[in-house]
Amino acid sequence: AQSVTQPDIHITVSEGASLELRCNYSYGATPYLFWYVQSPGQGLQLLLKYFSGDTLVQGIKGFEAEFKRSQSSFNLRKPSVHWSDAAEYFCAVAPNRDDKIIFGKGTRLHILP
Amino acid sequence: GAVVSQHPSWVICKSGTSVKIECRSLDFQATTMFWYRQFPKQSLMLMATSNEGSKATYEQGVEKDKFLINHASLTLSTLTVTSAHPEDSSFYICSGVLAPDTQYFGPGTRLTVL
Repeated sequence: AQSVTQPDIHITVSEGASLELRCNYSYGATPYLFWYVQSPGQGLQLLLKYFSGDTLVQGIKGFEAEFKRSQSSFNLRKPSVHWSDAAEYFCAVAPNRDDKIIFGKGTRLHILP
Repeated sequence: GAVVSQHPSWVICKSGTSVKIECRSLDFQATTMFWYRQFPKQSLMLMATSNEGSKATYEQGVEKDKFLINHASLTLSTLTVTSAHPEDSSFYICSGVLAPDTQYFGPGTRLTVL
């Protein structure tokens, strides 16, 4: 069965600092991987997705993620966070491009001024 | 980008009553829509897959007679929580698939059952 693990429930970083959110997945075949952000009172927004090709994926808002098959990881990074990045971040996996999505438990990002 | 709306955004009802939540794709046609449930400070759990013109496919453990899903058109899917109880209180989120492969999520509906 597919599963997604986000080992960090909360992460706090200072504004301007770099960020890395960890994500590990369990899936037998080549997964379709996503990162979503959920801000209070707002819906889920897709940051980026990996289906195939270049393992370093660029997303919106300056985020990027790297697919590492050998480590079953898809970590999200940003070189310099802004206060507006404070939100809940979900890593997710799907068996097919347009299929149901399995979400990780999420990582809440806090930003220190 | 494509927009998915949900109505209502929040609802409070008495125990034993039924509540209908609408999910609309505003500027695209969604052959497939998904319904998720999110408990406070937890992740989204898939409830069911809704395909236009056919019966919904429910995930294991989700009562299909309690959570009625209707996908009557390519832009509208509805979730009816029947005989709601306090344990059904949750945040319900839908998504629509914009072909070929992108899901767009609605803003969610907060259900509180008294």
